Amino acid sequence: EPEVTQTPSHQVTQMGQEVILRCVPISNHLYFYWYRQILGQKVEFLVSFYNNEISEKSEIFDDQFSVERPDGSNFTLKIRSTKLEDSAMYFCASKGYEGSEQYFGPGTRLTVT
Amino acid sequence: KNQVEQSPQSLIILEGKNCTLQCNYTVSPFSNLRWYKQDTGRGPVSLTIMTFSENTKSNGRYTATLDADTKQSSLHITASQLSDSASYICVVSVMDSSYKLIFGSGTRLLVRP
Repeated sequence: EPEVTQTPSHQVTQMGQEVILRCVPISNHLYFYWYRQILGQKVEFLVSFYNNEISEKSEIFDDQFSVERPDGSNFTLKIRSTKLEDSAMYFCASKGYEGSEQYFGPGTRLTVT
Repeated sequence: KNQVEQSPQSLIILEGKNCTLQCNYTVSPFSNLRWYKQDTGRGPVSLTIMTFSENTKSNGRYTATLDADTKQSSLHITASQLSDSASYICVVSVMDSSYKLIFGSGTRLLVRP
């Protein structure tokens, strides 16, 4: 069964460093998402991506964040200068068409020290 | 503001017993309501998805209900198993350009032998 994959599973970085989180969505899916979950809190929407552009972003998704689909398979989330409060689980999700199910990856745990 | 509230926050039951989790939402425009199961440190996995016109939907021992008038939903788990121990999250999809998901805080269920 196809699934969303994410790498790395755990990333430790120092404050101020850039990180890139990688996701491989399900093949043939057209809609892509990033969510984050700070430890002990609810999952929060960050950004949605469709047709090679951001379709919506939350207020969390400021200038320090960017997303890219550099080739036909990868979908990346970049944080330019990490802050302590960026420490969280980051989930990638994808879906095939409007209104269809979003499938989540296993997440990347980002720890900023 | 789009919000999803769940109760109880946590629940402990004995193996074999039934339980019901509650969800209230204020999300507009409403697309659909989902219940997800999330194991610690893992991505959410969909259990059920219901549109506006659906009142109930089952998936094995999981039965979800939806009252679109009162904006309430419930998830009933029958004959609980130890493997049901997880967080159960009520999620509402917004009918906009992104179909982003609004997550509740979840109910943490512990099933004891």
